[in-house]
Amino acid sequence: AQKITQTQPGMFVQEKEAVTLDCTYDTSDQSYGLFWYKQPSSGEMIFLIYQGSYDEQNATEGRYSLNFQKARKSANLVISASQLGDSAMYFCAMREGPNNFNKFYFGSGTKLNVKP
Amino acid sequence: GAVVSQHPSWVICKSGTSVKIECRSLDFQATTMFWYRQFPKQSLMLMATSNEGSKATYEQGVEKDKFLINHASLTLSTLTVTSAHPEDSSFYICSAPQGLSYGYTFGSGTRLTVV
Repeated sequence: AQKITQTQPGMFVQEKEAVTLDCTYDTSDQSYGLFWYKQPSSGEMIFLIYQGSYDEQNATEGRYSLNFQKARKSANLVISASQLGDSAMYFCAMREGPNNFNKFYFGSGTKLNVKP
Repeated sequence: GAVVSQHPSWVICKSGTSVKIECRSLDFQATTMFWYRQFPKQSLMLMATSNEGSKATYEQGVEKDKFLINHASLTLSTLTVTSAHPEDSSFYICSAPQGLSYGYTFGSGTRLTVV
């Protein structure tokens, strides 16, 4: 079974509108971490936001927020007030266990296009 | 913040030659380095995990004799693609663990083209 599932290969959003990128995960661990990364066309991986499995509140970082629904095993990324520079690939990732030296599992990614 | 410097950023080589990719942690000690490969429009696939002073751990299906990984110091890990073939053309990217809430710090990636 896939550890991380991103069901939206591509998304379009109008500039200044909000957009939600979906992510579901599969793990039997009680302790895990969920991450979102942005990958522009240059290829670098840019860390956006983190949610720990024991965090009761949804994580927020500026225009990014993570809608964490533990019972549904979903960790959707919400980008508010989209900007043209947000156009990129977005990857959801999970680290199982409390140890940051455990490997990450990446989803297949969502390509976001922001229209002017 | 922590930085991983990866070089070269792109390389073109002839079939049959070897290419070395370096990842250096600039302001922290990276006891572990993860190496990923990414084909166009696909996700990152973990190739191997290198640990300073010990042998790398390769993921299933990755040829350890073809993709040589060395992690001889706490600040340098290298990936050598030996006897490269066109099918090895890909984007290779390294990453090192950071604090629990920041996941990994990634290098900037190396785009390898084998002709």
